[in-house]
Amino acid sequence: AQSVTQLDSQVPVFEEAPVELRCNYSSSVSVYLFWYVQYPNQGLQLLLKYLSGSTLVKGINGFEAEFNKSQTSFHLRKPSVHISDTAEYFCAVSDLTGYGGSQGNLIFGKGTKLSVKP
Amino acid sequence: GAVVSQHPSRVICKSGTSVKIECRSLDFQATTMFWYRQFPKQSLMLMATSNEGSKATYEQGVEKDKFLINHASLTLSTLTVTSAHPEDSSFYICSARSLLTPSGGFYNEQFFGPGTRLTVL
Repeated sequence: AQSVTQLDSQVPVFEEAPVELRCNYSSSVSVYLFWYVQYPNQGLQLLLKYLSGSTLVKGINGFEAEFNKSQTSFHLRKPSVHISDTAEYFCAVSDLTGYGGSQGNLIFGKGTKLSVKP
Repeated sequence: GAVVSQHPSRVICKSGTSVKIECRSLDFQATTMFWYRQFPKQSLMLMATSNEGSKATYEQGVEKDKFLINHASLTLSTLTVTSAHPEDSSFYICSARSLLTPSGGFYNEQFFGPGTRLTVL
């Protein structure tokens, strides 16, 4: 079974500052890794995902994440945040136990609330 | 592409009534749909997984008689909360996944709906 730990429940940061949201996972098998963003009263939007290949993944809105297998981490970063980045961010993991070797169910972390202050 | 809609976006009902929430994949055929529940300031918890034309698979602790899931077509799944009570008040989110791309490969991604806020008085 997999699990996801998001170490920070809240991250306050000033506008134009860099930010890192931490995510660690545990799994005994190969996994896919995801970051989603949720704005208030809305569903989830995919920011980026790691399936295979390059460990540095670039996503939408200037975000990127790096897969570190030895540290079982997938931290999300942005070099300069905007007020509009204020939202809840969820890290998620899935394995390959879905039908026909496809993606299995998503397991979510508890989320990190990013608050960008002017 | 890959748009998922939910209806209604917000519903308020009296205790004891039943509420139906629809989840539609608008531009692709969803072989699998997922229903999640999210309490305030918490993460998404998977309630059930439904494959088109078959019975839903419920996660441990989710009452299948209370949360009825129907996935009758490749573009529509419904969640019915029967005899709703205040403790059922939550944000319900669906997601949809297609197993096959036009070239025959797999989509390894779930596409999420905007969510439905249920408030039971």
